[in-house]
Amino acid sequence: DVKVTQSSRYLVKRTGEKVFLECVQDMDHENMFWYRQDPGLGLRLIYFSYDVKMKEKGDIPEGYSVSREKKERFSLILESASTNQTSMYLCASRGLRTEAFFGQGTRLTVV
Amino acid sequence: SQQGEEDPQALSIQEGENATMNCSYKTSINNLQWYRQNSGRGLVHLILIRSNEREKHSGRLRVTLDTSKKSSSLLITASRAADTASYFCATDGSGGYNKLIFGAGTRLAVHP
Repeated sequence: DVKVTQSSRYLVKRTGEKVFLECVQDMDHENMFWYRQDPGLGLRLIYFSYDVKMKEKGDIPEGYSVSREKKERFSLILESASTNQTSMYLCASRGLRTEAFFGQGTRLTVV
Repeated sequence: SQQGEEDPQALSIQEGENATMNCSYKTSINNLQWYRQNSGRGLVHLILIRSNEREKHSGRLRVTLDTSKKSSSLLITASRAADTASYFCATDGSGGYNKLIFGAGTRLAVHP
């Protein structure tokens, strides 16, 4: 059974903290993605990676960075967490022009 | 920028009825996909339709694609309470990178 695993289901962090969200896939996919989901706004693309060490900005990259040192792992980093980054974060992976597989989501609250 | 725009935003029906959701997009695509999300969970892929296809079926799901109007529809026939979820369309652009752009989704409620 194919799997995308996010390291946490729920996280509570303080304003100003550096936050790491981890995502691991076991399908040998080249492409991995981080989305943010807020009510009424759907999924918005933060960053994506099409190969190891390669990354591209999505629509809302400000305040975030990413790391992909190994093919199976894609990390999202909040450099200095702020309350407006409270959201649901979804990781996904896909092959070339195929369907995407999603993790279960991480609900992050910044207080 | 959101490529796909779903319509309606919310839909409430009775079990046994059909549910139709629409998606419009702005630029040329390689394929269009529909996903389902149960409350607070990750998304699950339902169906993929390529730009050279006009209609596709999967069980009780029927998807149509009209590239001249840049629109797609998802029909769920004989709906069940278990179909209650949010449904999203996602477009895979024809150029450049292999990324999916999602719309805001349609919230479907099916009442027993």
